[in-house]
Amino acid sequence: GNSVTQMEGPVTLSEEAFLTINCTYTATGYPSLFWYVQYPGEGLQLLLKATKADDKGSNKGFEATYRKETTSFHLEKGSVQVSDSAVYFCALRGSSNTGKLIFGQGTTLQVKP
Amino acid sequence: DSGVTQTPKHLITATGQRVTLRCSPRSGDLSVYWYQQSLDQGLQFLIQYYNGEERAKGNILERFSAQQFPDLHSELNLSSLELGDSALYFCASSPGIRGLTYEQYFGPGTRLTVT
Repeated sequence: GNSVTQMEGPVTLSEEAFLTINCTYTATGYPSLFWYVQYPGEGLQLLLKATKADDKGSNKGFEATYRKETTSFHLEKGSVQVSDSAVYFCALRGSSNTGKLIFGQGTTLQVKP
Repeated sequence: DSGVTQTPKHLITATGQRVTLRCSPRSGDLSVYWYQQSLDQGLQFLIQYYNGEERAKGNILERFSAQQFPDLHSELNLSSLELGDSALYFCASSPGIRGLTYEQYFGPGTRLTVT
């Protein structure tokens, strides 16, 4: 079945450091890929998405490229801020006739001033 | 604010009891999804409804059931509760049936604690 694997956290960075959170997936067909962010005490917010191979999703300085050849969708940001501290989830939506999302286990990011 | 509301925010109950979690989707959204977030299982899809009909089922226990009403709000019923049911339950909504081009908007969640 479809699955998503994320790098284990927590990830601790200093402000202005470069961020990479790895995400790889297993899926049949042509899934859509997403990154969601969960701030403390809140629900999930969509950060960015990509719906086909080689698409690059971007938002708020974050980027991720859908790489079908390596089945990856790594999240990157050039310069993190303290306000980026949160839990980040990689997710996929398969090509079946539902919209259900399959999530990775989440990666906690802590950014220190 | 995503526009998806969930009540209650917190729920504390005892083993063996039954609870109902409520979700109101964004205005105009016809699809509702329920997810469970727990420490050991992570974020898991439970069930999806579209315009009142069940469309997809995930890892939902037989003790759990859901429905979507004509006004499109949804309820998740959890019965014979066990300690392991303690989790954060999220509702999400999207406009369409397949959601392939639609984003899912998540509510703030209901934190259930079973003692």
